[in-house]
Amino acid sequence: SQQGEEDPQALSIQEGENATMNCSYKTSINNLQWYRQNSGRGLVHLILIRSNEREKHSGRLRVTLDTSKKSSSLLITASRAADTASYFCATVEYSGAGSYQLTFGKGTKLSVIP
Amino acid sequence: ETGVTQTPRHLVMGMTNKKSLKCEQHLGHNAMYWYKQSAKKPLELMFVYNFKEQTENNSVPSRFSPECPNSSHLFLHLHTLQPEDSALYLCASSLLGGGGGYTFGSGTRLTVV
Repeated sequence: SQQGEEDPQALSIQEGENATMNCSYKTSINNLQWYRQNSGRGLVHLILIRSNEREKHSGRLRVTLDTSKKSSSLLITASRAADTASYFCATVEYSGAGSYQLTFGKGTKLSVIP
Repeated sequence: ETGVTQTPRHLVMGMTNKKSLKCEQHLGHNAMYWYKQSAKKPLELMFVYNFKEQTENNSVPSRFSPECPNSSHLFLHLHTLQPEDSALYLCASSLLGGGGGYTFGSGTRLTVV
């Protein structure tokens, strides 16, 4: 099944630096979403980028999508210790009868050191 | 609080027990999902309900039995589980038709002993 693969698996940066996480996928998608998960908790939806969009911003987040390379990146600018979490990309494919299937990658574990 | 509430937060059960996980949303969403999150594995979609009708069952063993009495409530009934079923079980909801973002609950941490 379609699956996003994040890179790197783990990332450690100093507070104030930018963090970049990448996601690659295999087949055509309707949209791609990024989620954040604090340790042992549920996922929080961060941003959605549609297949006909190339870049999207939300606060300190910037997401790009390159459908020709089947890849996306999430940039967090001016990172804070509170950004420490796991970040997941999820690809969305239309699965018929009005339904969409959301498939997650393994995630990138971000540590922001104060 | 995301608007999707899962209970209990933690559950320890023996392999011969029967228990149920509950999920509730009042966001007006019409699709609900169960995901399983195990250590070092991607989130696995287990079940999908659209307008309270099950539309997906991703080869989940029959010891997991979902129930969706209405579009706001979702249950996962558990019986004769195995230790490898220990995981974080996440419920999510969304609106159909838009391929939009999902709202997740905080999950139930299940330990099978």
